[in-house]
Amino acid sequence: SAVISQKPSRDICQRGTSLTIQCQVDSQVTMMFWYRQQPGQSLTLIATANQGSEATYESGFVIDKFPISRPNLTFSTLTVSNMSPEDSSIYLCSVPRGGGTDTQYFGPGTRLTVL
Amino acid sequence: QKEVEQDPGPLSVPEGAIVSLNCTYSNSAFQYFMWYRQYSRKGPELLMYTYSSGNKEDGRFTAQVDKSSKYISLFIRDSQPSDSATYLCAMSGNQAGTALIFGKGTTLSVSS
Repeated sequence: SAVISQKPSRDICQRGTSLTIQCQVDSQVTMMFWYRQQPGQSLTLIATANQGSEATYESGFVIDKFPISRPNLTFSTLTVSNMSPEDSSIYLCSVPRGGGTDTQYFGPGTRLTVL
Repeated sequence: QKEVEQDPGPLSVPEGAIVSLNCTYSNSAFQYFMWYRQYSRKGPELLMYTYSSGNKEDGRFTAQVDKSSKYISLFIRDSQPSDSATYLCAMSGNQAGTALIFGKGTTLSVSS
């Protein structure tokens, strides 16, 4: 199974600032995914990041708010820009499990609190 | 109507009980059905997955999918305090790289 690490594990930020979250995988993967888990809500996909192309954003999420980088096959970053308290959430990256299945492995998450 | 409905609980059971967790869904295109376990302050861990309909057993865990009723279940036999976690159902279509659609999760507490 893939081993995924995220940095930071948690942070407390001020309104109007930005935070960049890093996701590192121990093997090369074409696709990486970024999800948001708000309190009491379902995990929701923010965007899919393919190496060498622009990220694909889900409805309700825009690049200006959540810019994503994918410089190589083992690393990605998600930036939460111009933060407000509504952005307080857990942010998770994931990668496909492979083997012909449509399942995913998840990282440990980044717990963000915006004051 | 949300695509995936899951009772958030909380669900409290004594050690040794049989636990039944369920999700309903509305999208008949879903083909992969997954159960994730998430401990507090951790990322979701893939517990079981099933393709299309049927049952799958792994130790104390059994996953069932009834596509005709759009209903999936996870059974935990001989529940242990270490099973205390939030259980998330997730589903996807038949195309790799598509979004997983999650339920809100059911919080389970097993008391010794």
